[in-house]
Amino acid sequence: AQKITQTQPGMFVQEKEAVTLDCTYDTSDPSYGLFWYKQPSSGEMIFLIYQGSYDQQNATEGRYSLNFQKARKSANLVISASQLGDSAMYFCAMRESGSSASKIIFGSGTRLSIRP
Amino acid sequence: DTAVSQTPKYLVTQMGNDKSIKCEQNLGHDTMYWYKQDSKKFLKIMFSYNNKELIINETVPNRFSPKSPDKAHLNLHINSLELGDSAVYFCASSQLGRGFFGPGTRLTVL
Repeated sequence: AQKITQTQPGMFVQEKEAVTLDCTYDTSDPSYGLFWYKQPSSGEMIFLIYQGSYDQQNATEGRYSLNFQKARKSANLVISASQLGDSAMYFCAMRESGSSASKIIFGSGTRLSIRP
Repeated sequence: DTAVSQTPKYLVTQMGNDKSIKCEQNLGHDTMYWYKQDSKKFLKIMFSYNNKELIINETVPNRFSPKSPDKAHLNLHINSLELGDSAVYFCASSQLGRGFFGPGTRLTVL
């Protein structure tokens, strides 16, 4: 079963607008972590933001924030004031605890394109 | 300073050859991984090591053999390369929270 779902294969956004990238997850583990990564055309995987399942507040890192809705099992990434350099693939990922603690699983990604 | 490094960055080889990819992390992390990213950009875990011990082997063909000589290194050796092995291979490390990825190795099998 798909554990991480990203329903937007591609998105186009005007520069300076805010953008929300969707991510839903499926787990029965009460303790887990959620991640977002950016992969520009150069290919490297850049860590953006992390949210622990027990964290009381939504994670923020500069222009990135994670809209964590635990009951809905969603962990959307919000990028404020988008820039041309934000054009890239974005991956949502999850790590569970217990026997699966050593595995980070990824969604299929969203290709974000910023229009000037 | 580079956190997770991989060599080589590009690898072009003939079918049937044996090749290795090296990975090193200087973050002091306990857990290291190998991921394969296919042409559709899907990232799939291959192996996970914790303190030099194999934790996860995601039904990867036994032509792929990871080796962890110490906590900071996780190398990947591939025997009898096949066309379908062409992909980008990422090494990563993590501890408790964030996972950090190496720059990737683009393997092309001709």
